[in-house]
Amino acid sequence: GDSVTQMEGPVTLSEEAFLTINCTYTATGYPSLFWYVQYPGEGLQLLLKATKADDKGSNKGFEATYRKETTSFHLEKGSVQVSDSAVYFCALSDSDSNYQLIWGAGTKLIIKP
Amino acid sequence: KAGVTQTPRYLIKTRGQQVTLSCSPISGHRSVSWYQQTPGQGLQFLFEYFSETQRNKGNFPGRFSGRQFSNSRSEMNVSTLELGDSALYLCASSFGANLPQNTGELFFGEGSRLTVL
Repeated sequence: GDSVTQMEGPVTLSEEAFLTINCTYTATGYPSLFWYVQYPGEGLQLLLKATKADDKGSNKGFEATYRKETTSFHLEKGSVQVSDSAVYFCALSDSDSNYQLIWGAGTKLIIKP
Repeated sequence: KAGVTQTPRYLIKTRGQQVTLSCSPISGHRSVSWYQQTPGQGLQFLFEYFSETQRNKGNFPGRFSGRQFSNSRSEMNVSTLELGDSALYLCASSFGANLPQNTGELFFGEGSRLTVL
């Protein structure tokens, strides 16, 4: 069945560092891919998404490109801020999952000033 | 428009009691999903309701149940509480799959944090 694998955290970076959080997926169909973010004490919110191969989702300085050849959707940001400290979840949905979101385990990001 | 509202935000119960959590979805959304989030297990899917019918179910014991009303509001109930049920319970709403408006995006509430003593 479908699955999502994220790099384990926590990931600790200094402010203004470059961020990459790896996400790879397994799916038999053509899934839509998502990154959600959960700030401390809050629910999850959609950060960005991509619905087909080579699409690039972007929001708040974060980007992720849907790479079908490597089945990846890595999250990147050029210069992180303390306010980016949160847990980041990669997820997919497609017809095989009955459009239920299949979630990665989440990666905690800690940004130090 | 108003977001997903979950009540109560915090509650403390003792083992053996039961609890009911409520979720009001975004207006127009017909699908409501429930998740349990714990530090050890991460985000785990409980069940999804669409138009008052349970459409999908995760791997949780029968002590966990839910329902959805005609106005799309949903409740989940946990009976005979155990210490391990302490968690953040998240509700998420969406238009629902196979509808033209469906973008695949879930809209989450802030959660109900349950502590079982």
